Amino acid sequence: AQSVTQPDIHITVSEGASLELRCNYSYGATPYLFWYVQSPGQGLQLLLKYFSGDTLVQGIKGFEAEFKRSQSSFNLRKPSVHWSDAAEYFCAVGAMNSGYSTLTFGKGTMLLVSP
Amino acid sequence: SQTIHQWPATLVQPVGSPLSLECTVEGTSNPNLYWYRQAAGRGLQLLFYSVGIGQISSEVPQNLSASRPQDRQFILSSKKLLLSDSGFYLCAWSIGAATRGATQYFGPGTRLTVL
Repeated sequence: AQSVTQPDIHITVSEGASLELRCNYSYGATPYLFWYVQSPGQGLQLLLKYFSGDTLVQGIKGFEAEFKRSQSSFNLRKPSVHWSDAAEYFCAVGAMNSGYSTLTFGKGTMLLVSP
Repeated sequence: SQTIHQWPATLVQPVGSPLSLECTVEGTSNPNLYWYRQAAGRGLQLLFYSVGIGQISSEVPQNLSASRPQDRQFILSSKKLLLSDSGFYLCAWSIGAATRGATQYFGPGTRLTVL
């Protein structure tokens, strides 16, 4: 069965500093990978997704992620964090369940941005 | 464009009372629909998914049930709420049942507190 691990529960970054959120996945085939962001009390918004091709994926809000098959990782990065980036971030892997598509999520990483 | 609505936004219910949460999608036909529960520190747990009217699959045995009376309407119900049913309930939709790369789009969520 597929799984996603986000090893960092909380991360604090200074505004303007760079950011990297870690995600490791377990899946028996080529994975379809996603990053979502959730602001407090809100639903999840898709940041970016990887299906195939270029292993560096660009997303919204200046985020990017790099797929590394050898490390089973799909880490999310941003070169300069803004205070509005404070939120919870979820990594997910797409899979088939009884013939239909589902997503398996990690437990999330809460990003705190300090002034 | 597609939009997804959930109501109510917040709900406080006593233990043992019934529950009905509603999710509707606009701007698309025959979507796949999903119910997730998010408890503090536990990430997203898939509860139910549906690929068509009257077709419901349950991911975990529990006190809840789901129904899909119309193509773009998904309802989460309970006959008797438990304290452990408290959480943030998210509805999501996707297109493309037969691919594990189907992106899911989330609603704004319902905060349920059972007292």
